[in-house]
Amino acid sequence: QSALTQPASVSGSPGQSITISCTGTSSDVGGYNYVSWYQQHPGKAPKFMIYDVSHRPSGVSNRFSGSKSGNTASLTISGLQAEDEADYHCSSYTSNNNVIFGGGTKVTVL
Amino acid sequence: EVQLVESGGGLVKPGGSLRLSCAASGFTFRSYSMNWVRQAPGKGLEWVSSISSSSSDIYYADSVKGRFAISRDNTKNSLYLQVNSLRAEDTAVYYCARGLRGVPNDAFDIWGQGTMVTVSS
Repeated sequence: QSALTQPASVSGSPGQSITISCTGTSSDVGGYNYVSWYQQHPGKAPKFMIYDVSHRPSGVSNRFSGSKSGNTASLTISGLQAEDEADYHCSSYTSNNNVIFGGGTKVTVL
Repeated sequence: EVQLVESGGGLVKPGGSLRLSCAASGFTFRSYSMNWVRQAPGKGLEWVSSISSSSSDIYYADSVKGRFAISRDNTKNSLYLQVNSLRAEDTAVYYCARGLRGVPNDAFDIWGQGTMVTVSS
């Protein structure tokens, strides 16, 4: 099973909104509402940001939101801030009862 | 404080073995599924294996099936990954991660700091 497809990089200016896509198939993203997103700063462990497509854990800023349409999930960061500069990884449950990740997207704040 | 601390990584020759450990604290370990996720240098995350709270259900990525073995000891609040027949492509930081709910292959809400495994002759 191939990794989910994410853009290698996305950039935006402070205060802007950006959206990161995560494309899979009907056997993963499209078939289940079990998409998650993780933020990872350089040299650090990933941080849990979104689960079940659009749910935010407590403590995660409401500037982060998730959605899904068909086989593509999306993470939107609104009011972009310097501290949002990081790598973002999506994941999905799969029909093989596994978990699959995307390749990661580097977010740059201009 | 909820915490996961991995150990056991190191430099190993191709074909060699290691046993990775993850010590959990600050939560009821026996109530959660647990997972291993790895990240090769400069690459994305790759799910490796999941184990249910009671060890009754275990899952592996195809890339490690038959070579890696996940286990846990709920009396010691510890998770393990026995890694055998190591290959260069297994070189990665190995993270221990807690499952959000009691089921395997769930979202991963708590992560350890990782332990580096380097496979090289």
